[in-house]
Amino acid sequence: GAVVSQHPSRVICKSGTSVKIECRSLDFQATTMFWYRQFPKQSLMLMATSNEGSKATYEQGVEKDKFLINHASLTLSTLTVTSAHPEDSSFYICSARLASKNIQYFGAGTRLSVL
Amino acid sequence: AQKVTQAQTEISVVEKEDVTLDCVYETRDTTYYLFWYKQPPSGELVFLIRRNSFDEQNEISGRYSWNFQKSTSSFNFTITASQVVDSAVYFCALSDYYNNNDMRFGAGTRLTVKP
Repeated sequence: GAVVSQHPSRVICKSGTSVKIECRSLDFQATTMFWYRQFPKQSLMLMATSNEGSKATYEQGVEKDKFLINHASLTLSTLTVTSAHPEDSSFYICSARLASKNIQYFGAGTRLSVL
Repeated sequence: AQKVTQAQTEISVVEKEDVTLDCVYETRDTTYYLFWYKQPPSGELVFLIRRNSFDEQNEISGRYSWNFQKSTSSFNFTITASQVVDSAVYFCALSDYYNNNDMRFGAGTRLTVKP
């Protein structure tokens, strides 16, 4: 299957700092990547759709100024959590869509803890 | 509106037992995709299967099998002779056929296989 790399796997930061999470498709190009948030023992909630070369599409209720998404190349999308607060602590997972098969392949996730 | 229901929140079985995870979906689309993903404790979502709405044939892959029944809007997943390594959260998901930008996940079923 296709491989998606997500980095870092875990980050602990102080309140008020910004954190950048990278999502890379290693063996395929992805014009579309996705960012999800998952609370403990819950399902995945789509935060935004990242489109290469254009602005991301955010789901209702997701602050675009808080969660900055950049998809500058066909293999890399980044999510920056700006001025992080403890309520932003969560598990963030990215995926990249393999267009030829219409399948989303997921990264390993990033566990963010904001102190 | 699209919706996926996984009514079983948690299932516990003893190794070598067979187990079926239920998935029921709702959609107004006539064409769509259905998916199963596995999320082990490490957090990464592992793609298991994609089924399009045209194809109601059941599929078997090793100890895994899937039963798609359009008449009951169900896409159930059976693990035969379960193993401890099968312990994970399993998500069923539904997406649009032409692009799966809008993928809806069920709440997930946590499967624990005891030795």
